[in-house]
Amino acid sequence: AQSVAQPEDQVNVAEGNPLTVKCTYSVSGNPYLFWYVQYPNRGLQFLLKYITGDNLVKGSYGFEAEFNKSQTSFHLKKPSALVSDSALYFCAVRGYGQNFVFGPGTRLSVLP
Amino acid sequence: DGGITQSPKYLFRKEGQNVTLSCEQNLNHDAMYWYRQDPGQGLRLIYYSQIVNDFQKGDIAEGYSVSREKKESFPLTVTSAQKNPTAFYLCASSIEAPGVTEAFFGQGTRLTVV
Repeated sequence: AQSVAQPEDQVNVAEGNPLTVKCTYSVSGNPYLFWYVQYPNRGLQFLLKYITGDNLVKGSYGFEAEFNKSQTSFHLKKPSALVSDSALYFCAVRGYGQNFVFGPGTRLSVLP
Repeated sequence: DGGITQSPKYLFRKEGQNVTLSCEQNLNHDAMYWYRQDPGQGLRLIYYSQIVNDFQKGDIAEGYSVSREKKESFPLTVTSAQKNPTAFYLCASSIEAPGVTEAFFGQGTRLTVV
């Protein structure tokens, strides 16, 4: 069975500092991994995905994520956080022929 | 504009009433999904459909029903059998090429029982 863990409910970071939001997964076969962001009372917006190839994936708004097969992780990163990055972040996995499975979400607060 | 449209944005339901949430997409996607979001619980899959006139139950289908008569439309009915329907409901769609494409989401409908 597929599963996604986001071990931190909340991440606080100062504006201008680098940020990391953690994600680990479990899936049979090759994983297809995604990050989404959600602002209050809105739908999820797609940030980036890993399908195959380079382990470092670049996405929207300066976000990137690093796929680590041995650690079954797909952590979201940004070199310099903005106050406007404050939101709820979801990691998702999809195995071949399977549905999306979402993590519980991590709330990111960027402090000015 | 291409995308997914959910309506209404806010919906209030009386006890014992059925209500229907609308979801329309013009992305020509084959697959459509309904998720329920509760605080601190992430997204839980209610129903999904990979093709017109076919759909499958997700993890929490009890008290809900769907139809898929057109590729563009995937309405969700919250029946009176759903005992705790107050939640944020999200519709999504994707190209049915497993593992390749991301899901696109609508803006959500917040349902409240009054």
